[in-house]
Amino acid sequence: AQSVTQLGSHVSVSEGALVLLRCNYSSSVPPYLFWYVQYPNQGLQLLLKYTSAATLVKGINGFEAEFKKSETSFHLTKPSAHMSDAAEYFCAVSEGFGNEKLTFGTGTRLTIIP
Amino acid sequence: DAGVIQSPRHEVTEMGQEVTLRCKPISGHNSLFWYRQTMMRGLELLIYFNNNVPIDDSGMPEDRFSAKMPNASFSTLKIQPSEPRDSAVYFCASSLALMQPQHFGDGTRLSIL
Repeated sequence: AQSVTQLGSHVSVSEGALVLLRCNYSSSVPPYLFWYVQYPNQGLQLLLKYTSAATLVKGINGFEAEFKKSETSFHLTKPSAHMSDAAEYFCAVSEGFGNEKLTFGTGTRLTIIP
Repeated sequence: DAGVIQSPRHEVTEMGQEVTLRCKPISGHNSLFWYRQTMMRGLELLIYFNNNVPIDDSGMPEDRFSAKMPNASFSTLKIQPSEPRDSAVYFCASSLALMQPQHFGDGTRLSIL
């Protein structure tokens, strides 16, 4: 069975500092991995996805994530945080091969300190 | 382009009442998903459809919950009878095809008193 662990339910960074949100996955087959962002009172929006192509994936709003098979990780980073990045971020895994079910992590709430 | 549209955005009702949540997926999308989000359990997949056919309903909590997709542009999630523990935000999402990203609606915030 697939699963996702997000380390740190709350992360605070200063404006302009590096953002690092951690995600580790477990999957019995090569996974498809996703990062979603949720702003207050809204649904989830896709930031980026990994589907077995390049291991470094670039997404919207300056975010990127690197797939590391040896570490079973898919951490999300952004070089310089902006106030508008404050939101909740979810990592998700799917086993693909026709299985559309996404398993989500518990989320990380990102706070930006002015 | 219109995104996934959910209605109502907010619903407050008394326990025992029937609740119907509605979803209009993005036109042309073949798959539709219903999720529930709570502080305690996070985001849970309840059921998903592909080409209007239910594929996996293993996440539906109990028989009080039912979902239908009578056509490609409409789905409902019904709770009958409702209970206070059903209070949550319910999201609908749709995707274009297998393994394409899911697009979420803004959710229905349900409160059962």
